Amino acid sequence: EAQVTQNPRYLITVTGKKLTVTCSQNMNHEYMSWYRQDPGLGLRQIYYSMNVEVTDKGDVPEGYKVSRKEKRNFPLILESPSPNQTSLYFCASSLLSSGGPSPGDEQFFGPGTRLTVL
Amino acid sequence: KNQVEQSPQSLIILEGKNCTLQCNYTVSPFSNLRWYKQDTGRGPVSLTIMTFSENTKSNGRYTATLDADTKQSSLHITASQLSDSASYICAPGGQGNLIFGKGTKLSVKP
Repeated sequence: EAQVTQNPRYLITVTGKKLTVTCSQNMNHEYMSWYRQDPGLGLRQIYYSMNVEVTDKGDVPEGYKVSRKEKRNFPLILESPSPNQTSLYFCASSLLSSGGPSPGDEQFFGPGTRLTVL
Repeated sequence: KNQVEQSPQSLIILEGKNCTLQCNYTVSPFSNLRWYKQDTGRGPVSLTIMTFSENTKSNGRYTATLDADTKQSSLHITASQLSDSASYICAPGGQGNLIFGKGTKLSVKP
């Protein structure tokens, strides 16, 4: 089954304790992205990647790191989490048509990771 | 500054009725606009994708329109069903960077 998986789904941690949220897709997608969603705000992009070893900042990259060593995986790293990073995180992936967006570029989202930083 | 405004913030309709959700945006670069449906606590699911040159796109009972000149889009839902209760999110942007609106929360009542 084509899907985007995230782990863990729920995480409670303390300020300063490094953590990694994994994201994996089995659709051979070039494009992967991380978002956070907070009450009253829209999804905000943290980082995105257009291919292996190619990453770029989104709108809210501060306090986060990513890596794209393999096409299928795109982990999100919080080196020193703080309470303001408490949020619902989504990973997403899609194809990346060279000529621009097409119906084949539908973005598939993972189930979400609910992170609480105390 | 990139901005996406959706209206109304919330909407309650009776099952079987139609409704239209609005999205106004100021986003650069702009090449495409997407509409998503998000059930509570779950990831968004794509409904339509339109490039800047397209005016309308349908997906079953969902029809999206786009006016790139006035920077407006709408999502029309026909013959609503209880399962349409969700948040609907507009996301304009370039190829790698989408800007998401806050969404319209739709409740369909029997």
